[in-house]
Amino acid sequence: DIQMTQSPASLSASLGETVTIECLASEDIYSNLAWYQQKPGKSPQLLIYYANSLNDGVPSRFSGSGSGTQYSLKINSLQSEDVSIYFCQQNYDSPPTFGAGTKLELK
Amino acid sequence: EVQLVESGGGLVQPGRSMKLSCAASGFTFNNYDMAWVCQAPKKGLEWVATISYDGSSTYYRDSVKGRFTISRDNAKSTLYLQMDSLRSEDTATYYCARHYYDGTYYYNVMDAWGQGASVTVSS
Repeated sequence: DIQMTQSPASLSASLGETVTIECLASEDIYSNLAWYQQKPGKSPQLLIYYANSLNDGVPSRFSGSGSGTQYSLKINSLQSEDVSIYFCQQNYDSPPTFGAGTKLELK
Repeated sequence: EVQLVESGGGLVQPGRSMKLSCAASGFTFNNYDMAWVCQAPKKGLEWVATISYDGSSTYYRDSVKGRFTISRDNAKSTLYLQMDSLRSEDTATYYCARHYYDGTYYYNVMDAWGQGASVTVSS
């Protein structure tokens, strides 16, 4: 199985700040990378697919980038509603595998 | 509005069975591959199984092969997960999820999720 390693495991940032979350795949996944947001007590929601394509209804302050084995999620101008756990997921090979998550909190 | 509503969770003893259901609405259910994804308490997400839009193909993670069965009833817009020979390590919240479909290809990316059904395997 392809291993997905996220960093950092947790992150504290201030309102209005820009934050970046990284995801490293154990092999080349050819941009087949998705990001999900899971708010406290809620189910995950798809933010980004194919590394940089924004899902419908997702605010433009979210963006994704990367290629090969290295990917990142950037959140510009952090809002209070962005407090969540963020997961990456590779969909290049089966089984689809997720990173362990990055917990984003407000400073 | 796309809605996925799971039911059937609860407490079950090791070795016993449980069946989860997921009622779908707000989209053409028989156009979409569907999946179950689980999340153990305070843990990350783990794909469990996928079924093709017409039910002709099923896929499972290794740890549940031979124990879990994913199925669907397109006439009822309902997805199922039959879980047999349950183990303590199966304790998790189980999410019903829809695979992303762009009209041409299906992706192993889930663009709609239910609220989850909690399954606790304990004596």
